[in-house]
Amino acid sequence: EAGVTQSPTHLIKTRGQQATLRCSPISGHTSVYWYQQALGLGLQFLLWYDEGEERNRGNFPPRFSGRQFPNYSSELNVNALELEDSALYLCASSLVGFGNTIYFGEGSWLTVV
Amino acid sequence: AQSVTQPDIHITVSEGASLELRCNYSYGATPYLFWYVQSPGQGLQLLLKYFSGDTLVQGIKGFEAEFKRSQSSFNLRKPSVHWSDAAEYFCACSNDYKLSFGAGTTVTVRA
Repeated sequence: EAGVTQSPTHLIKTRGQQATLRCSPISGHTSVYWYQQALGLGLQFLLWYDEGEERNRGNFPPRFSGRQFPNYSSELNVNALELEDSALYLCASSLVGFGNTIYFGEGSWLTVV
Repeated sequence: AQSVTQPDIHITVSEGASLELRCNYSYGATPYLFWYVQSPGQGLQLLLKYFSGDTLVQGIKGFEAEFKRSQSSFNLRKPSVHWSDAAEYFCACSNDYKLSFGAGTTVTVRA
């Protein structure tokens, strides 16, 4: 069974541009999470989607947004890119419900130049 | 608010020696606790998890962890380290339908 898949693996963008990252959850999982792992800042929670709705949001500005599609896949959009947005963006999925195990994808590397 | 602390930023261990990584959590109720491992440039792989019951949890790759409520700890152990265990290890606590991670501990294995 396929795990969480993310695309693209690497992305290079210029400051001010927009980046779109994609994620397909494990089959049967309805919850999708996005995390940012920037150098020196650890793993920071960005967003949680379930059943197409945004359920929770981390402490990030509004230019970080996303959506979840009817097939439970998800997109993360980062507008007006800044140099400090350069990071590994990890998508994860789980069954809905408190305490369910969250499984991670390999991540998408975003470099802003 | 919950928090997870990993006191050791970096640990160096000899191949074949034992390894223990510390994790302390701050949470009002009994938490759901996890250990993940991240190899360089890759995503996170779940090593083990604790929800309830037996406080000694067995995971993959020969790892185990012990939940100690009195110490608010969930330390990860491996009796004999292999060179392939060199990675970054993250302790995490589940609350509010998301994971909160510790800062991570980087493990270096020397021959």
